[in-house]
Amino acid sequence: GEDVEQSLFLSVREGDSSVINCTYTDSSSTYLYWYKQEPGAGLQLLTYIFSNMDMKQDQRLTVLLNKKDKHLSLRIADTQTGDSAIYFCAESEDNAGNMLTFGGGTRLMVKP
Amino acid sequence: ETGVTQSPTHLIKTRGQQVTLRCSSQSGHNTVSWYQQALGQGPQFIFQYYREEENGRGNFPPRFSGLQFPNYSSELNVNALELDDSALYLCASRRADSRYYGYTFGSGTRLTVV
Repeated sequence: GEDVEQSLFLSVREGDSSVINCTYTDSSSTYLYWYKQEPGAGLQLLTYIFSNMDMKQDQRLTVLLNKKDKHLSLRIADTQTGDSAIYFCAESEDNAGNMLTFGGGTRLMVKP
Repeated sequence: ETGVTQSPTHLIKTRGQQVTLRCSSQSGHNTVSWYQQALGQGPQFIFQYYREEENGRGNFPPRFSGLQFPNYSSELNVNALELDDSALYLCASRRADSRYYGYTFGSGTRLTVV
């Protein structure tokens, strides 16, 4: 079955870059997503990448995809205290984000 | 657009009882998905509805059921509640004919089963 794994915790200093990693097992994954969850809030889509891309950049966010190793990463440049949250990677077999399989989440703590 | 609204925000039920959770989606959002998020874990897909019919289901037993209504609202029903059903339940919706990814998530209903 499908499996998506992430490290549990990451702590960085304000202004540094954060890199959150994710591995997945489903070869048919078409789209891979990064979501942010703040306390008491639902999931906010940050960015997504199609499986035939290697990299996608969106302002402070850079997504890298190594399809051979089934490894996905999210880099947040100039991390701010407001970036403190739980970050989930997720995969879907279609481009609409249906029936997502999520990882367990990485808690990012940004210290001033 | 008014987003996705879920009610209630918190709920406590006793083991064996039944519960109904509600979701109100944006106008035009004819696809709705429900997810269960246990404490400290990622969300797990329960099922998806499109035009009032279930068209996808995750690994959840039949005591988890749903309804979708023409007014873009939906329900998640859980019968014979078990302690392990304690979780945050998330509703997400989108327009099926949208060219782009367009799921909007609600803030969830926190269900505690005692």
